[in-house]
Amino acid sequence: DAKTTQPNSMESNEEEPVHLPCNHSTISGTDYIHWYRQLPSQGPEYVIHGLTSNVNNRMASLAIAEDRKSSTLILHRATLRDAAVYYCILRVGPSGYSTLTFGKGTMLLVSP
Amino acid sequence: EAQVTQNPRYLITVTGKKLTVTCSQNMNHEYMSWYRQDPGLGLRQIYYSMNVEVTDKGDVPEGYKVSRKEKRNFPLILESPSPNQTSLYFCASSLSSRAQAFFGQGTRLTVV
Repeated sequence: DAKTTQPNSMESNEEEPVHLPCNHSTISGTDYIHWYRQLPSQGPEYVIHGLTSNVNNRMASLAIAEDRKSSTLILHRATLRDAAVYYCILRVGPSGYSTLTFGKGTMLLVSP
Repeated sequence: EAQVTQNPRYLITVTGKKLTVTCSQNMNHEYMSWYRQDPGLGLRQIYYSMNVEVTDKGDVPEGYKVSRKEKRNFPLILESPSPNQTSLYFCASSLSSRAQAFFGQGTRLTVV
């Protein structure tokens, strides 16, 4: 499986935008980029995913580099509730079995 | 409300006493899986099930059993728990192995 590299931790202030980077230089053409987050004392939750084009949903935006070797999860206005560990995961698609393998992720700290 | 429900949320047991952690989902998902989360090791998959009566080992299956007799339920069985199985356990379900996964709230197990 192609691997991802994320910073161990990042800090932000409340109501400021946050850009969480992820490097995946060995990504293959059919790998989707998924983001999950895990709030303290909770199970992981899906945030967003994409293949080539930038994606937006109610939680966040995903910006994917043109060569797909990196991506950035964007939280437009961080809140205290966004403090969590964010995982960038590559998943094969569209056919065949694809396990969800978690790395160490990025711990996001949000200050008031 | 779409959800994955695990029970119990907390459990303290003694070495060798068989236990079952239940997992139930109400989204008619075909794919279900179990993870354990340990400090420094992250989330690791224990077992998964592609559908009823179809189960397979994940990355750390030793000491665990599962069954999938009905689509909605995927219990995790520890026949003879040992202290090294003290961990935080998460159940997850999704439409397929590649789809967005929904996680339960977790079960914190302590084996003494």
